[in-house]
Amino acid sequence: SALTQPRSVSASPGQSVTIACTGTSSDVGDSNFVSWYQQQPDKAPKLMIYDVKKRSSGVPDRFSGSKSGNTASLTISGLQAADEADYFCCSHAGNYTWVFGGGTKVTVL
Amino acid sequence: EVQLVESGGGLIQPGGSLRLSCETSGFSFSYYEMSWVRQTPGKGLEWISYISDSGRVTDYADSVRGRFTLSRDNYKNSMSLQLNNLRPEDTALYFCVRDGAVAGYRAFDIWGHGTMVTVSS
Repeated sequence: SALTQPRSVSASPGQSVTIACTGTSSDVGDSNFVSWYQQQPDKAPKLMIYDVKKRSSGVPDRFSGSKSGNTASLTISGLQAADEADYFCCSHAGNYTWVFGGGTKVTVL
Repeated sequence: EVQLVESGGGLIQPGGSLRLSCETSGFSFSYYEMSWVRQTPGKGLEWISYISDSGRVTDYADSVRGRFTLSRDNYKNSMSLQLNNLRPEDTALYFCVRDGAVAGYRAFDIWGHGTMVTVSS
């Protein structure tokens, strides 16, 4: 089953948002391979965070990842207008399989 | 520049077949594990298939297992996804993605722009 994410979150510029990604003990809870992707309208997803908390090359340190139990989280600090996008989490789910979250729309008010 | 370019999508009737291709450039393709991920219109992402660097190992999501077949040609730096017995719920944008395992991390670091598959009568 897909990982569970909130459909949307919003905040004003400069504030922080945290997106939770809840899975099970068979995926998020059992994996160090949790990643986050940003998708702008009509664009392909872009890797932002991998291995739970490592930032991909060129990603600002305003983006951070963490995990506790079966829930992974992405926090965006100092929110900017350019951060408005859809965000998807992904976890290794055993053997060679992967599972994504349903996606969260981040709106900058 | 690292690039993944998908092709082969289109409009197909239920029960029909399509073959999607992913042409790669700018990196040593034979070293990398690859996958396909699809995105239904207005909805989320779904991982559907994996292939090892050598091509000897493949795996599939339950939703496509037995209907889709993934293969690769390391001499041509490309891979192909054969879609058989297509269903309306297979309608999606299909992305070719690179797995960064050989570089030391497990995530999809490079994405193509996708090819659209529409299954409808």
